Amino acid sequence: EPEVTQTPSHQVTQMGQEVILRCVPISNHLYFYWYRQILGQKVEFLVSFYNNEISEKSEIFDDQFSVERPDGSNFTLKIRSTKLEDSAMYFCASSSGGTNTGELFFGEGSRLTVL
Amino acid sequence: SQKIEQNSEALNIQEGKTATLTCNYTNYSPAYLQWYRQDPGRGPVFLLLIRENEKEKRKERLKVTFDTTLKQSLFHITASQPADSATYLCALHEDTGRRALTFGSGTRLQVQP
Repeated sequence: EPEVTQTPSHQVTQMGQEVILRCVPISNHLYFYWYRQILGQKVEFLVSFYNNEISEKSEIFDDQFSVERPDGSNFTLKIRSTKLEDSAMYFCASSSGGTNTGELFFGEGSRLTVL
Repeated sequence: SQKIEQNSEALNIQEGKTATLTCNYTNYSPAYLQWYRQDPGRGPVFLLLIRENEKEKRKERLKVTFDTTLKQSLFHITASQPADSATYLCALHEDTGRRALTFGSGTRLQVQP
């Protein structure tokens, strides 16, 4: 069964460092997303990406964040200068974008710890 | 302000019983509502989607109802099993051209053998 894969599974970084989280969405999906979940809190939307550009973003997704689809398979989230409050689980998701279906397929997440 | 409310207290039930979880929302006009399962440290897994013009949806032991007048969805697991123990998330999608889902905080279900 096709799945969304994410790397790394866990990353520890120092405050102020740049971090890149990587995702390989399901191959025939058209919409890509990043969500985050701070420990014990709800899953929060960060950004969605379609047709090689950002289609939506939340207030959380400020200038410190960027996304890119550098090739036909990878989808990355970059945090330029990490802060302590960026510590969270980051989930990548993809969807087919069909009008009859709206479910998201999530990866297993990348746990980011900022020290 | 917009809110999605799920019971933050864990729901403990005996194996074989029916679990019923509630999702209430305010200031949304969802085109559809989804339920996901999340195990500790793992990504959410899609379970069911119900549209605004549907009253009920079933899949195996799962049933979802959607009442747009009450602004509420109920999620039922019949003949519950210990393996059903997890956190269940409600998520809304509004028919405004946005594709992003907004999630509730989830309800943890514990099924006792």
